[in-house]
Amino acid sequence: EAGVVQSPRYKIIEKKQPVAFWCNPISGHNTLYWYLQNLGQGPELLIRYENEEAVDDSQLPKDRFSAERLKGVDSTLKIQPAELGDSAVYLCASSSTSVGTGELFFGEGSRLTVL
Amino acid sequence: DAKTTQPTSMDCAEGRAANLPCNHSTISGNEYVYWYRQIHSQGPQYIIHGLKNNETNEMASLIITEDRKSSTLILPHATLRDTAVYYCIVRVIFGNEKLTFGTGTRLTIIP
Repeated sequence: EAGVVQSPRYKIIEKKQPVAFWCNPISGHNTLYWYLQNLGQGPELLIRYENEEAVDDSQLPKDRFSAERLKGVDSTLKIQPAELGDSAVYLCASSSTSVGTGELFFGEGSRLTVL
Repeated sequence: DAKTTQPTSMDCAEGRAANLPCNHSTISGNEYVYWYRQIHSQGPQYIIHGLKNNETNEMASLIITEDRKSSTLILPHATLRDTAVYYCIVRVIFGNEKLTFGTGTRLTIIP
């Protein structure tokens, strides 16, 4: 079974440019999470989806960050415009409310460098 | 989610048991103890979880104290591939609530 797939794996952009990250969760997982991980820190939740609905986006900086999960499957996280402080790893995870015991499965992450 | 306290770093000799402690003194009755680990340049990986009984799987064992205020993750025969950051998290199991990560314990396995 394929795991959570994220792309791109690495992205280097100049400040003020836009960037987008894509996530394909594990098939059948209804819950999708985007986390931000700064160097030396644990991941921090940006947004959580239940199917198509964003049920927790309180930590998403909505002035420059946006996310969508069309059809309740794949998701895209966008930053526009990017700032130097956005350099980090963006992790996507998924889980199921009907299968397993609530564990989250993470992708390998997308490492963003803003110059 | 309740907060957890873990040592910043630990070393363990290859082939020995690695015992990683975690304090969660404010854990609620409906919160489970989860352990994840993150190997360099990878996403976090689920290891094990438990409520109040000791648990064991193919990766590790989890020992939870009777008062549930602390726990220990045990890797019985550590290998170099176990070098990673280990996160202890308390969380309600259902409802797919978020995982709240701390800074974890950086475990280094020494050859």
